[in-house]
Amino acid sequence: EAQVTQNPRYLITVTGKKLTVTCSQNMNHEYMSWYRQDPGLGLRQIYYSMNVEVTDKGDVPEGYKVSRKEKRNFPLILESPSPNQTSLYFCASSLSTATDTQYFGPGTRLTVL
Amino acid sequence: QKEVEQDPGPLSVPEGAIVSLNCTYSNSAFQYFMWYRQYSRKGPELLMYTYSSGNKEDGRFTAQVDKSSKYISLFIRDSQPSDSATYLCAMSAGGFKTIFGAGTRLFVKA
Repeated sequence: EAQVTQNPRYLITVTGKKLTVTCSQNMNHEYMSWYRQDPGLGLRQIYYSMNVEVTDKGDVPEGYKVSRKEKRNFPLILESPSPNQTSLYFCASSLSTATDTQYFGPGTRLTVL
Repeated sequence: QKEVEQDPGPLSVPEGAIVSLNCTYSNSAFQYFMWYRQYSRKGPELLMYTYSSGNKEDGRFTAQVDKSSKYISLFIRDSQPSDSATYLCAMSAGGFKTIFGAGTRLFVKA
């Protein structure tokens, strides 16, 4: 089954404790992206990757890191999480660009205390 | 001012009603217009996709783009309780960035 998977689905952590949210897709897509979703603000793009080893900042990259060492995986790293990063996070992938259909993962609800 | 404005609702309608969802935008470079549907506790899924101006119809759903007014709409005919979800408009000028609206929560009452 073609899908985007994210882990964990739910995470409660404390300020400053490094964490990684994994994202994997099995569709051989070149483009992958991370979004955060907050009430009233919709989905905002954090980082995106056009292909292996090629990443770029979205609209809200502060406090986040990403890497793309393999085509299928695109982890999101919070090196020192803060309470304002409490949010619902989605990973998405598409064939090659943002204008292709984006397939979203199920989401990761993160709470930073 | 946000690049994309969307009324968050909620919008509550009776079953069978025609629903109209709208977004306005400020960036005249946007050429690709999308509507995503998001059920509770799920990721968004693409519903409709339009390039440039015009209308596109798919079953009970019609997407309209008016670039002169910087206004896009999604119409749902004969709405069903299963249409209850959050609808997000999304736009792109091409390339690697997509801008989403805040989403409109829709409730269709049986």
